[in-house]
Parts: sequence; structure tokens; C-alpha cells
Amino acid sequence: AQTVTQSQPEMSVQEAETVTLSCTYDTSESDYYLFWYKQPPSRQMILVIRQEAYKQQNATENRFSVNFQKAAKSFSLKISDSQLGDAAMYFCAYEEYGNKLVFGAGTILRVKS
Amino acid sequence: DAGVIQSPRHEVTEMGQEVTLRCKPISGHDYLFWYRQTMMRGLELLIYFNNNVPIDDSGMPEDRFSAKMPNASFSTLKIQPSEPRDSAVYFCASSQTTYGYTFGSGTRLTVV
Repeated sequence: AQTVTQSQPEMSVQEAETVTLSCTYDTSESDYYLFWYKQPPSRQMILVIRQEAYKQQNATENRFSVNFQKAAKSFSLKISDSQLGDAAMYFCAYEEYGNKLVFGAGTILRVKS
Repeated sequence: DAGVIQSPRHEVTEMGQEVTLRCKPISGHDYLFWYRQTMMRGLELLIYFNNNVPIDDSGMPEDRFSAKMPNASFSTLKIQPSEPRDSAVYFCASSQTTYGYTFGSGTRLTVV
């Protein structure tokens, strides 16, 4: 079974600064999808960004971008110009066959003012 | 669209009681997923449906857990009898393609 590893249980960033959250995954597939989800204290799971493995171009959504390294099986999330509202738990997820998502353990992001 | 709707938002029940969690997926989504979130185990897939048919229930922890999807707009997750270790947040999510899931706001279940 595929696994997703987030090696940083917790990260801190100063407001307006940039932070990168790490994620690695294990798969033997060549075509798949990767996601980052945000879970604020309200517990709502919010899709932040999506990457298709066959696309070499890194996905970008406003202040959020990814660094996708397919050979290294790495999928990091960069948050630029961090805001207080970015404070949350962030989950990396890999899509298995059948549209199932396998989630990492999550990284708590704290934003300091 | 109102998104994925789960009810109740909170549920407190006594050990041994039956608990039913409800989910209304987004119209047009043909996949529906039930996840459980705990501090110890993170997000675990319990079961998922495609076009109302259960595809994989290997994540259902015990026979005490059952899930149904009688039509495209409604699903239930039932625990009978409930135990304190079932306390968790239960999420329902739906999707149409590989664009990613839309999650409901979850049900926080506390079994005392």
C-alpha cells in the first residue's frame, strides 16, 4: 500500500514570511495525483492545491505553490507571504487507485504576528 | 451548491447505544467516502462507494460498523453497539473525478 510521510510534526513562520512543508510518498505507479489539504481549528478540510504526476509544471494557487520532484517522490508545499489565517494543520495526500486518498500524519503550522 | 452536508455536528452517546451518522454528498458526485480522524491514527478511510455501491470496506474496524448508501444523495454510517474507543471525528467526503474530495464539516462523536 502507498504511504505518505510528513516528517515535520510542527512548523512556525513569521507573518509575511515564506514557509515550506515537506511531504514524501511511496508508490510504484507512474500516473497519480497529489494534494495538500488545510484543516483549521474549525476542523473543516479544505483543498489547497492539486498536482497531476504526469505534469512537470508545478501547481500554483495564489500564495500556495508546490515543488514536485517525481523521481524523488517529494511533494512540498510553499506558502508565501504567510498570513495569520494560514495557521492550521496541513495534510499531504496521495490518490490511490479507485479515487482513494491516503493521507500523511499532518503538519501543524503556527503563524507568529 | 451547499457542499457536503453531515449531521449531526456533535453526538454524545452512552456506551452500548446505537449511533447513526448522516451524509448528503454534492449532487453529481459519484464517489462517497467515510473517514475517521483521531489523534493516534490520523485520517483513516473506513469505506467508500461508487455510484451508490460499496467498493472497499476494508477500513471498517469491526462488525459493529456498517454503512449504506440507498441513493445518490444520502449515506449513513452506523455504529452498534458504540464503545468509548469509537470516539473520533467522522468525515464524509464526495468527489466526481480525480480533482480531489470535498469534505463535510465532520461529526464529532463522543462515547461515554
